[in-house]
Formats: sequence, C-alpha cells, structure tokens
Amino acid sequence: EAQVTQNPRYLITVTGKKLTVTCSQNMNHEYMSWYRQDPGLGLRQIYYSMNVEVTDKGDVPEGYKVSRKEKRNFPLILESPSPNQTSLYFCATRPIREGMQNEKLFFGSGTQLSVL
Amino acid sequence: QKEVEQDPGPLSVPEGAIVSLNCTYSNSAFQYFMWYRQYSRKGPELLMYTYSSGNKEDGRFTAQVDKSSKYISLFIRDSQPSDSATYLCAMNDSWGKLQFGAGTQVVVTP
Repeated sequence: EAQVTQNPRYLITVTGKKLTVTCSQNMNHEYMSWYRQDPGLGLRQIYYSMNVEVTDKGDVPEGYKVSRKEKRNFPLILESPSPNQTSLYFCATRPIREGMQNEKLFFGSGTQLSVL
Repeated sequence: QKEVEQDPGPLSVPEGAIVSLNCTYSNSAFQYFMWYRQYSRKGPELLMYTYSSGNKEDGRFTAQVDKSSKYISLFIRDSQPSDSATYLCAMNDSWGKLQFGAGTQVVVTP
C-alpha cells in the first residue's frame, strides 16, 4: 500500500529543545516536501527536495532544517523550537516526470506540534 | 496580498443541498488548478484537477475555472454528511510551484 508515514502524530515540547519529525515514503518518489498548516493561512511550504542531497527553501524556512540522505526519508529538524512554530505539519511526496507539472501530491497524516 | 484567496467558512448546508466553493487568485501564470479534500486529523487528498479554463465533472463534483476572472469553483451536488471536510484549492504555474488557499470548512447536516 502506498504510504507517507510521519512520526510522531502529536508532540508537546518546550522552547529550545531540539526535535526531529520523521517522514518516510514507500512510493520511490523523487520529490518530498514539508508544509505547515495554520488557521486562516492554509498550507505553507517550509522546505522541499527534488532528489537525494538536493534540498531548497520554501516560503517559510526560518527556524527549520531538513536533510535528504536517502530517497525514502526526509526528516524535518527544529534545532531550537519556539512557540510560533506551534502548528500542524505535513510531509508530502510526488513523482517527478518530465513535462508533468501537475502531479498529485500524497500527504502524510500530519504531526501536531505544540511548543510551550 | 495572498496569491490565492479562499473564504475559510464554515459553510453549513443541509444534506442534499448543493455546496458551492470558490477561490480567487492574482497570478496570471497559474495554469493547473486543483481541489484537495481534508478530513479532520488527516492529510489532504486530491479530489479534482483541471488545466486552464473550463469545466470538469466527476460524479457529484464539478470544477470550474475562469482564467479571465481569475476565479475557480467547486460544486458538490446532492451533498452527504460524508462530504463534511475542509476543501483546499491549489494551483501552480509551469514551474510547478504549488500555492494553496486557506481552505473552506464544509459541514453537511443530516
């Protein structure tokens, strides 16, 4: 079964305590991305990756890091979380095919993060 | 100003009614238009996709794109309680950068 798996589903932490949210996909997709979803603001892209070792900033990258050492995994790292990073986070993947800009995004089930 | 504007709702309708959702956008380079459906505590799932202007129908769902007005719509006929969800419009240009609307929460009451 095609899956995008995020862990954990829920996380409560304190300001400044480093954390990692993991994302793994079994569809061999080249493209992976992280979004945060906030009320009234919709989904905003944090970082994305076009393939292994290729990452780039999205619209709201400040305070986040990512890495893409393997094709299937794309962890999101918050080195020093702050309360304004309290949000619902989604990992998403899709294939990259030449000439196809409208490929469907597959989303994980989300990680609800609260930073106190 | 956001590139994609969408009324967050909530939009409450009785079962069987037509649900009408819409988004406006400012970037004339957008060519691909999508609607995602998101159930509570789940990730979004692609519902409909259209390219350029026109209509597309899939069962009870109809998506419309009017590029001259920079306006897209989604209609749900014969709405069911299982249609209760948040509906997000999304669009991208030829470079593939996707922009989402804020999402409209829809509640269909039995």
